[in-house]
Amino acid sequence: KQEVTQIPAALSVPEGENLVLNCSFTDSAIYNLQWFRQDPGKGLTSLLLIQSSQREQTSGRLNASLDKSSGRSTLYIAASQPGDSATYLCAVVTSGTYKYIFGTGTRLKVLA
Amino acid sequence: DAGVIQSPRHEVTEMGQEVTLRCKPISGHDYLFWYRQTMMRGLELLIYFNNNVPIDDSGMPEDRFSAKMPNASFSTLKIQPSEPRDSAVYFCASTPDSLNSGNTIYFGEGSWLTVV
Repeated sequence: KQEVTQIPAALSVPEGENLVLNCSFTDSAIYNLQWFRQDPGKGLTSLLLIQSSQREQTSGRLNASLDKSSGRSTLYIAASQPGDSATYLCAVVTSGTYKYIFGTGTRLKVLA
Repeated sequence: DAGVIQSPRHEVTEMGQEVTLRCKPISGHDYLFWYRQTMMRGLELLIYFNNNVPIDDSGMPEDRFSAKMPNASFSTLKIQPSEPRDSAVYFCASTPDSLNSGNTIYFGEGSWLTVV
């Protein structure tokens, strides 16, 4: 059974710092991995999707990498801003299934 | 497109009452998912549909929960009778094609349910 873990559970950093969020999964046979952002009281917004054949994806100040063999992904946020404050979740689609399994999220606070 | 639309946004109900949550997926999306989010358990998939047909309902907690998709533009999640432990945020999401095709998934803003 696929399990997805995110570390740390919460993170508080000063504005301008570069930071890394971690995601690990127990079954490396995945179709894809996706990072999401969730603001308080809102739904989830997709940030980056990495297919199993890819190593990384970039969008603006965000970079996500995937190491399928070790069951790990990282989300790198460059030059963090207060507007980046949110909960970040990763999710995987395991091969043979057609559904996302979510991690428990990292709650990020960027201080001005 | 208006995105995935859920109603009601907030509901407070008494234990034992029937609760019906509604979802309108993005037009043209063939897959619809119902998730539940709690502090203790995070985001859990309850059920998903493909072309209005339930494919996997293994996440539905018990017989008190039921979901239907009578047509491509409407789905309901019903809880009868409701219990305080059902208090959670219920999300509906949709995708145009299977998730193994590299499609992203679009979430609604959720229905916040409190059972007292």
